[in-house]
Order: sequence, then structure tokens, then C-alpha cells
Amino acid sequence: AQSVTQLDSQVPVFEEAPVELRCNYSSSVSVYLFWYVQYPNQGLQLLLKYLSGSTLVKSINGFEAEFNKSQTSFHLRKPSVHISDTAEYFCAVKGNNNDMRFGAGTRLTVKP
Amino acid sequence: DAGVTQSPTHLIKTRGQQVTLRCSPKSGHDTVSWYQQALGQGPQFIFQYYEEEERQRGNFPDRFSGHQFPNYSSELNVNALLLGDSALYLCASSPPGQGVRSPLHFGNGTRLTVT
Repeated sequence: AQSVTQLDSQVPVFEEAPVELRCNYSSSVSVYLFWYVQYPNQGLQLLLKYLSGSTLVKSINGFEAEFNKSQTSFHLRKPSVHISDTAEYFCAVKGNNNDMRFGAGTRLTVKP
Repeated sequence: DAGVTQSPTHLIKTRGQQVTLRCSPKSGHDTVSWYQQALGQGPQFIFQYYEEEERQRGNFPDRFSGHQFPNYSSELNVNALLLGDSALYLCASSPPGQGVRSPLHFGNGTRLTVT
């Protein structure tokens, strides 16, 4: 079965600085990769997804992630963060069995 | 267009009791998945329902059971509650036709506290 490892449990960063949230996956079959964001007391919201094609995918609010098959990674990046980006971020993977598996999450804290 | 709705939002139960959580999928979605999210952890897959049948199941004991109705809504039942069942229970739905490529759309969850 597929699995996900998020390498950092907490990432503190100052406002307007760049950030990278790391995600590695393991799977013996083709994978579909996702990043979700969770704000306090809410469910998960889809941030972006990789299904096929271009390995660089982007969200509408400035985040991007790159699928790297050789390194089995799907790291999330943003060149300049805002206070409002403070949240929990989850990397997730789906294999051919159609159930989605999540990492343990990375808490991004943006400081003024 | 309503998204995924879950009820109740909060629930307090006593150890040994039984609980039922409810979920209505996003309009047009036919597949419902349930997840358990313990404090400070990522969501753990419980099971998935499609066409009123359990299609996939994660590593959860038989105390966790579910049901899907003809209108695609779903229930999660947990029997003989343990303190360790305290968590946020998330329901997610996905649309037909996209299979494994479709992302999940999540509700805001039910916060279950077992005392």
C-alpha cells in the first residue's frame, strides 16, 4: 500500500519569506499526489494535485509543488508567505486502490 | 451548492457507549470516505462506501461500521467506545467517473470526545 512521510512537523517562518514543506511517498504503482490545507476547527481543503503531465503544479494562491519520481517527492513551496498561510498542511497519495493516505502534517506558522 | 455536511459538529459520549455520525456528500458525488483524525495527527482512513457497499477498509476494528443510503448519504457507527476513539471524524466525498484521479472533498468534521 502507498504511504506518505512529511519530514517536518513544524515550520516557523517570517512573513514574506520563502517556504518549502517536504513530502516523500512510497508506492509500487502509479500515484496521484495531493496537498491539502486545514485551518483550525475546519475540514481539509484541496490546495493542489498532481495526476499526470507537467510535474510542476500550481494553486491559485501562490503555492506550487513539483512531482519528482526519481526522488519520490512532492514538496510544496511558496516564494513569499503571508500571515494568512498559517495552517496545517497535509500531503496525500492515492494508488490504484482508490483510498487516499495522508501524512502526519506540517504546521506552518508565519510570524510578522 | 452545499458541500459535504456532517452532523453533529460536537459530541460527548461515555466509554462503552455507541455513537452514530452522519454525512451528506457534495451534490453530484456518489462515493463517501470516512477518516479519523486524532489530535496533532493526519487523517487515518477508516473505510469507503460506493453503491451502498463498503469498498475499501483501513486498519480499524469491527467496532467501526458504516452504511450508505440510496441518496448517497452515509453513517459511521462506533460501538463500545474507548477513550482512544476521541478524535475529529471527517467525511469526504468524490464524484463519479474520475476513479482514482478524483480528489476528496471534506466536511468540517464531527469532534467526538469520549470520557
